[in-house]
Amino acid sequence: GIQVEQSPPDLILQEGANSTLRCNFSDSVNNLQWFHQNPWGQLINLFYIPSGTKQNGRLSATTVATERYSLLYISSSQTTDSGVYFCAVEQDQGAQKLVFGQGTRLTINP
Amino acid sequence: DAGVIQSPRHEVTEMGQEVTLRCKPISGHNSLFWYRQTMMRGLELLIYFNNNVPIDDSGMPEDRFSAKMPNASFSTLKIQPSEPRDSAVYFCASSLEAGYTEAFFGQGTRLTVV
Repeated sequence: GIQVEQSPPDLILQEGANSTLRCNFSDSVNNLQWFHQNPWGQLINLFYIPSGTKQNGRLSATTVATERYSLLYISSSQTTDSGVYFCAVEQDQGAQKLVFGQGTRLTINP
Repeated sequence: DAGVIQSPRHEVTEMGQEVTLRCKPISGHNSLFWYRQTMMRGLELLIYFNNNVPIDDSGMPEDRFSAKMPNASFSTLKIQPSEPRDSAVYFCASSLEAGYTEAFFGQGTRLTVV
């Protein structure tokens, strides 16, 4: 099945810093989503982005499907951005299920 | 819409007992997914339904686990008998259809088997 690798596994930053999270996947996809799991365990949808670029406030994401990676950018980090960020993909021509990466744990210190 | 609704939010049970987790998908969504999250294995798909029909249950760990979707607005995941290694957070998610559409997750059920 498709493999999803996220980097870095852990990231610790000061409030106000910018960050880039990466998601690599091993095969072509028809669905890619970024989620934020907050400290209460809730999975929050950030982006549905199988290709192209999207922005939502301080967050933006870019997926380059032909090169099999996606990037999540967080600008001017706030403590509320802390949590685990997951990338999940659905393989094109494959099983219709989201396969999750292991996540990036982001800690924003005040 | 209230989103995907799961119940209970927390469940503590003794080994050997039957556990039933419940899920109400977003109205109009045709696909429903059950995931399990553990520290060791991360988020893994257990089973998914399309139009109330189970499509892929290859992730169900063993016969102690079963899932049903009797109608478009309700699904259950049952564990009988439960074991301590079943302790995890169980998520339900729904999407308009499997593939090509965005999936939305419920708040999860934290199961502890003692």
